[in-house]
Amino acid sequence: ILNVEQSPQSLHVQEGDSTNFTCSFPSSNFYALHWYRWETAKSPEALFVMTLNGDEKKKGRISATLNTKEGYSYLYIKGSQPEDSATYLCAHHRAGNNRKLIWGLGTSLAVNP
Amino acid sequence: ETGVTQTPRHLVMGMTNKKSLKCEQHLGHNAMYWYKQSAKKPLELMFVYSLEERVENNSVPSRFSPECPNSSHLFLHLHTLQPEDSALYLCASSQRTSDRFYEQYFGPGTRLTVT
Repeated sequence: ILNVEQSPQSLHVQEGDSTNFTCSFPSSNFYALHWYRWETAKSPEALFVMTLNGDEKKKGRISATLNTKEGYSYLYIKGSQPEDSATYLCAHHRAGNNRKLIWGLGTSLAVNP
Repeated sequence: ETGVTQTPRHLVMGMTNKKSLKCEQHLGHNAMYWYKQSAKKPLELMFVYSLEERVENNSVPSRFSPECPNSSHLFLHLHTLQPEDSALYLCASSQRTSDRFYEQYFGPGTRLTVT
């Protein structure tokens, strides 16, 4: 994998459903993996920055895991709420180029009440 | 004002115009970024300034000219743009920390339309 790939591209769930998305990235020269949430008409907002293989981070109902050896990260949302509706972006930080993030296209989540 | 601010929020300009986008960060960060967001494309990094020195220039056409007069302000000067330059331009700032590793703080963006 040369670029950052996210799946699915979009997702519609019902309020209360739990869901997860995938971010795939090059496993070589890994430095960090970022997750951001971007709500319509707002600025992208950082959720997590993960650096170590096996990292798990949690923020309320949202959590993320990281596998640097195989080059993927999962983002989980437990009990989705309408306010979780947003585009979730991941970005890969390669070692040796610490200020440059390579971004995925994002997963667009719509939570129906 | 808190966080990262950008002005203007919307801009319509002709191909022969000259305009500037402004970004200001109130977070005490030492790095600032310009990104371009086009429909159906990932965020594209354009420029990075660290301590007011340009450290990244991602093969951006010369019709885009950045300026960073101090660590709190970043400008993007635009001239003789093309219609394909129409996009959302986002500014961000960061400060390396031991746990947040260049986590970026974004402004609301400037929606640019080139006619």
